[in-house]
Amino acid sequence: QQPVQSPQAVILREGEDAVINCSSSKALYSVHWYRQKHGEAPVFLMILLKGGEQKGHEKISASFNEKKQQSSLYLTASQLSYSGTYFCGTEDLEAKGLVFGKGTKLTVNP
Amino acid sequence: KAGVTQTPRYLIKTRGQQVTLSCSPISGHRSVSWYQQTPGQGLQFLFEYFSETQRNKGNFPGRFSGRQFSNSRSEMNVSTLELGDSALYLCASSRTGDMGYTFGSGTRLTVV
Repeated sequence: QQPVQSPQAVILREGEDAVINCSSSKALYSVHWYRQKHGEAPVFLMILLKGGEQKGHEKISASFNEKKQQSSLYLTASQLSYSGTYFCGTEDLEAKGLVFGKGTKLTVNP
Repeated sequence: KAGVTQTPRYLIKTRGQQVTLSCSPISGHRSVSWYQQTPGQGLQFLFEYFSETQRNKGNFPGRFSGRQFSNSRSEMNVSTLELGDSALYLCASSRTGDMGYTFGSGTRLTVV
């Protein structure tokens, strides 16, 4: 089951903050976050595991609410380089593979 | 450290033909997953291999198949190509899956 991301798109000015949400209808084992720039491969940002362990990017933070099967990605003091499409990927407890949401397009303007 | 290598980068095929795509994971990565990316559907999970065994499979028809070799290199095959198979096919590797995935640059397949 594909996770649902919101918003679909967001436009920021440099220095502003953004939150991207990801929710699933299934109990989750892990949530991954990736960023893809146009014409490039997705790049791993962060993984959040059931039980609270986090591994990933220094300047980006995220939360994982296991009860609500939701995760949020927090981008603070955005930079131009943050522009791209952000994907969350979820792996449920049945371990049926990493399934991605449709993405959130983030544009950071000067 | 070499990244995930996918070959070829671009392919043009005719409807009804078959195609084989190749993926060489990062050295030491035993998990390889394949995704189809299109503007309308986003990243769609095809299958995952770990130590030469298919561990998971997405909701794609049987025309899509794959395999993994003892050196962790993986191939995916699409038979009887359809116009709708035109997409960017991405391969991603991971040491265990708990560490996140590294994606290759993809193979852009165009079916005419």
